[in-house]
Amino acid sequence: AQSVTQPDIHITVSEGASLELRCNYSYGATPYLFWYVQSPGQGLQLLLKYFSGDTLVQGIKGFEAEFKRSQSSFNLRKPSVHWSDAAEYFCAVGPSSGGYQKVTFGIGTKLQVIP
Amino acid sequence: SAVISQKPSRDICQRGTSLTIQCQVDSQVTMMFWYRQQPGQSLTLIATANQGSEATYESGFVIDKFPISRPNLTFSTLTVSNMSPEDSSIYLCSARRTVEETQYFGPGTRLLVL
Repeated sequence: AQSVTQPDIHITVSEGASLELRCNYSYGATPYLFWYVQSPGQGLQLLLKYFSGDTLVQGIKGFEAEFKRSQSSFNLRKPSVHWSDAAEYFCAVGPSSGGYQKVTFGIGTKLQVIP
Repeated sequence: SAVISQKPSRDICQRGTSLTIQCQVDSQVTMMFWYRQQPGQSLTLIATANQGSEATYESGFVIDKFPISRPNLTFSTLTVSNMSPEDSSIYLCSARRTVEETQYFGPGTRLLVL
């Protein structure tokens, strides 16, 4: 069964500092990978996704993520964090083949940005 | 992308009552899903809403408690039946088109059961 691990429940960074949120997955083949962001009181917004091809994926709001097959990881990065980035971030994995396409979410990482 | 709306956005309900949540997608989609997000937790898939047939429920969720309808390719409802305080949660509708694998989410319905 597929699974997602986000080892950091809560991260605090200073505004302007770089950010890396960790995500590890378990899946039998190359999965589809996603990062979503949820601002307080809001639904989930897709930041970026990896289906195939270039392992470095660019997303919205200046975020990027790198798929590393050897490490089963899909870490999210941003070179300079803004106060508006404070939110909860969810990594998700979905099956890359046909059939029942269930997406599994990690527990989420809550990001706090301090001045 | 797909734009998904949900109604109501929030509600406060009494124990023992039922609430029906509506989900509308702005274009036809193949798959629609209902998730629950309990306070401080991640998203848990309740069921996949199937057009014209019974929904497919995940382990731990049953039709009597969470009846789901999907009369067409753009609309679905989730009912939370005989509510208890443990049902207090955010309920999220989600959808995916046939030609792409991105899954989009509605804004959620915040439910508080007293």
